[in-house]
Amino acid sequence: AQSVAQPEDQVNVAEGNPLTVKCTYSVSGNPYLFWYVQYPNRGLQFLLKYITGDNLVKGSYGFEAEFNKSQTSFHLKKPSALVSDSALYFCAVRVTRGNTGKLIFGQGTTLQVKP
Amino acid sequence: EAQVTQNPRYLITVTGKKLTVTCSQNMNHEYMSWYRQDPGLGLRQIYYSMNVEVTDKGDVPEGYKVSRKEKRNFPLILESPSPNQTSLYFCASSQGTGGNQPQHFGDGTRLSIL
Repeated sequence: AQSVAQPEDQVNVAEGNPLTVKCTYSVSGNPYLFWYVQYPNRGLQFLLKYITGDNLVKGSYGFEAEFNKSQTSFHLKKPSALVSDSALYFCAVRVTRGNTGKLIFGQGTTLQVKP
Repeated sequence: EAQVTQNPRYLITVTGKKLTVTCSQNMNHEYMSWYRQDPGLGLRQIYYSMNVEVTDKGDVPEGYKVSRKEKRNFPLILESPSPNQTSLYFCASSQGTGGNQPQHFGDGTRLSIL
């Protein structure tokens, strides 16, 4: 079965420290991978995506993510966390073989950045 | 301003009373989709549409209907709502149908079915 896993319900970091939010996936074919962020009472906002090419992709607000095909992972990273980064983060995979309309989300990881 | 608009934002209703949540996008996007968000489960796809008059089931379509008569609108219909459909619902759209474009999300509709 195709799936996306975010193994941590919550990640806590101190402001100024690096952060990592983990994501692993299991899909057939070559996936399109996305990260989204959700602030309270709002819809999801796009952060970055991996389609093909360089395994390190850069996105909005200083975030980046590394695609690792052998480990089927797409971890979100930021060198220096801000308190304003505190939010709910979702990893998502779009299948590219067969039914390309389906989008699969992870269960979400709450990032808490403390001053 | 480019946006996806959902209405209503909040609704409390009773079991069995038909309801429709509207979704409209002003970006001329081909792809539209509905999701429900439940704690610990992330977002699960209900239905999606690759273009006008083309719709297909996502992972949790039971109890829901959709239609895509116009490119900009993609309403979600609950013919006979039940309490297990109490959830936070999101509509989203994206350009093209190849899957490599990010989705634009509405601000959500919180449904409570009593």
